Amino acid sequence: AQSVSQHNHHVILSEAASLELGCNYSYGGTVNLFWYVQYPGQHLQLLLKYFSGDPLVKGIKGFEAEFIKSKFSFNLRKPSVQWSDTAEYFCAALGSNDYKLSFGAGTTVTVRA
Amino acid sequence: DAGVIQSPRHEVTEMGQEVTLRCKPISGHNSLFWYRQTMMRGLELLIYFNNNVPIDDSGMPEDRFSAKMPNASFSTLKIQPSEPRDSAVYFCASSLAGDRGFQETQYFGPGTRLLVL
Repeated sequence: AQSVSQHNHHVILSEAASLELGCNYSYGGTVNLFWYVQYPGQHLQLLLKYFSGDPLVKGIKGFEAEFIKSKFSFNLRKPSVQWSDTAEYFCAALGSNDYKLSFGAGTTVTVRA
Repeated sequence: DAGVIQSPRHEVTEMGQEVTLRCKPISGHNSLFWYRQTMMRGLELLIYFNNNVPIDDSGMPEDRFSAKMPNASFSTLKIQPSEPRDSAVYFCASSLAGDRGFQETQYFGPGTRLLVL
């Protein structure tokens, strides 16, 4: 079965610290990968996506993610977080001929000022 | 450029009442999704429409839930009768699907926060 797992349920860090959120997927065949962010009380917004090409993907707000096919991973990184990055982050995967987006359980990130 | 539009943004109702949630997808998108988000179950896909036709409604909880898409720019999700366990945030999302089924990115609306007392 297709699935997405996120390693951390809750991450707490200080401003200017580096952030890395783990994401692993289980899919047969070609897969498209996404990271969404949900700020408190708001909707899901697309941070970045990988369909093909350069496995290092740069997104909005200084985030990037690296697709490592051999490890079935798509980890999200940001070198220096800000208080405004406090949010819940969702990794998601979509088979290339599928419509059903599989979401991870989400990682809550709390950045302390 | 307008994104996905949902209304109402907040709904408080009493158990047994009918609730109707509305969604306007991004213009030109041909796929529409209704999701429900709760603390316990996370994000769940309720139903998927392609070209206004329901393709997968396996996520609809029970007969109390129904969804329609009368045209490419409007969809409704109805709960009748509503129950307290239906309290959640309901998101609508839209995307563009190609002829061979390839799906582009799903864009989410602001959601409707439903509280059933």
